[in-house]
Amino acid sequence: EAGVAQSPRYKIIEKRQSVAFWCNPISGHATLYWYQQILGQGPKLLIQFQNNGVVDDSQLPKDRFSAERLKGVDSTLKIQPAKLEDSAVYLCASSLRFPGTADSGANVLTFGAGSRLTVL
Amino acid sequence: GQQVMQIPQYQHVQEGEDFTTYCNSSTTLSNIQWYKQRPGGHPVFLIQLVKSGEVKKQKRLTFQFGEAKKNSSLHITATQTTDVGTYFCLYNNNDMRFGAGTRLTVKP
Repeated sequence: EAGVAQSPRYKIIEKRQSVAFWCNPISGHATLYWYQQILGQGPKLLIQFQNNGVVDDSQLPKDRFSAERLKGVDSTLKIQPAKLEDSAVYLCASSLRFPGTADSGANVLTFGAGSRLTVL
Repeated sequence: GQQVMQIPQYQHVQEGEDFTTYCNSSTTLSNIQWYKQRPGGHPVFLIQLVKSGEVKKQKRLTFQFGEAKKNSSLHITATQTTDVGTYFCLYNNNDMRFGAGTRLTVKP
């Protein structure tokens, strides 16, 4: 089974520039997550999709971050304009089903390798 | 709002010593998962606990879910250098949020 694919692996930009990250989840996984992990901290949930609908984006800085999951498969996360504090690893994860479903194994997260962003 | 605290933040042990990390919630959790993240890597799923008082074992790792489903622990017996990394709890109440993590270092 192919894993979660993310690109690019690394990106260096200057503040006020824009950047986009791409994620392709495991085939058949209905739920997709974007997390931001700042060095030394736990991953912070930015947005959660169920198929192509947004379930939770309460922690997404909507003035500069946007995300979409067209057709309920792959997803893009965009930052425009970037700030210094956006330097982090952006992790994409997917799970088979929406959390809380009866099948307790269906909400296990599988992560991609992450996209490391450095904002100068 | 829901508060989950993970302690300790860091733990440095001598190889062969035991290690425990705890996640404590202010509210009842539907279930809890544990992940391990090696340095430079991404989180990898270890276990999920669903039932009150549940205990699960994986070789040297023992996972517990409290009777009130408000706290959980991960215990490693006789640590090895391969156990190095950060251990996170992921609490699930229809969203998937991580604890702050416990970073484990092991001195050979």
